[in-house]
Amino acid sequence: QQQVRQSPQSLTVWEGETAILNCSYEDSTFDYFPWYHQFPGESPALLIAIRPVSNKKEDGRFTIFFNKREKKFSLHIADSQPGDSATYFCAANNNNAPRFGAGTKLSVKP
Amino acid sequence: GPKVLQIPSHQIIDMGQMVTLNCDPVSNHLYFYWYKQILGQQMEFLVNFYNGKVMEKSKLFKDQFSVERPDGSYFTLKIQPTALEDSAVYFCASSPGTGGQDTQYFGPGTRLLVL
Repeated sequence: QQQVRQSPQSLTVWEGETAILNCSYEDSTFDYFPWYHQFPGESPALLIAIRPVSNKKEDGRFTIFFNKREKKFSLHIADSQPGDSATYFCAANNNNAPRFGAGTKLSVKP
Repeated sequence: GPKVLQIPSHQIIDMGQMVTLNCDPVSNHLYFYWYKQILGQQMEFLVNFYNGKVMEKSKLFKDQFSVERPDGSYFTLKIQPTALEDSAVYFCASSPGTGGQDTQYFGPGTRLLVL
């Protein structure tokens, strides 16, 4: 049973464009939604996270938009840079261990 | 920032053998996790551990798997016996408190190849 769905599986954007990565979840007890990025051969690292009391969280070029009613949240990467190329995982937590989406492989072309 | 260490970085073993993966979590963290990632795929939750006990485990945490952290030393994942489908990267993670809203810190992973 996949508790967190992520799309697209892969995404290519040009440098300077906004990349949009999407996730949805089913379990309404989830109350914390982090995004991680993972560079090839490295471990995942926390990028940004949101709690459902907010519908938007910004950190520099990275913004999470959260829709509690539809159980969806997305990561927007503004002014994408080639160095942003990585795999991005969304996750959802409740009091148990976080569950991860399948990942989006982002490629930013110069 | 806080670092989680994993030993070894790579392990190649024959099917049926036992393997122990070691994790040195962040020193003041209380919750520990193992995840399995097959190349290019998502990270699958295996188990989390707190106060000497398994708190939660997934269907992937087969009977051949076990975890322990004897006397505050390494947090270990043991697979006995190993199977071909156990080949994957195993990530250890730790967090200060309950997984609810605490950041998880991941180790660099152990790449396990079962022949």
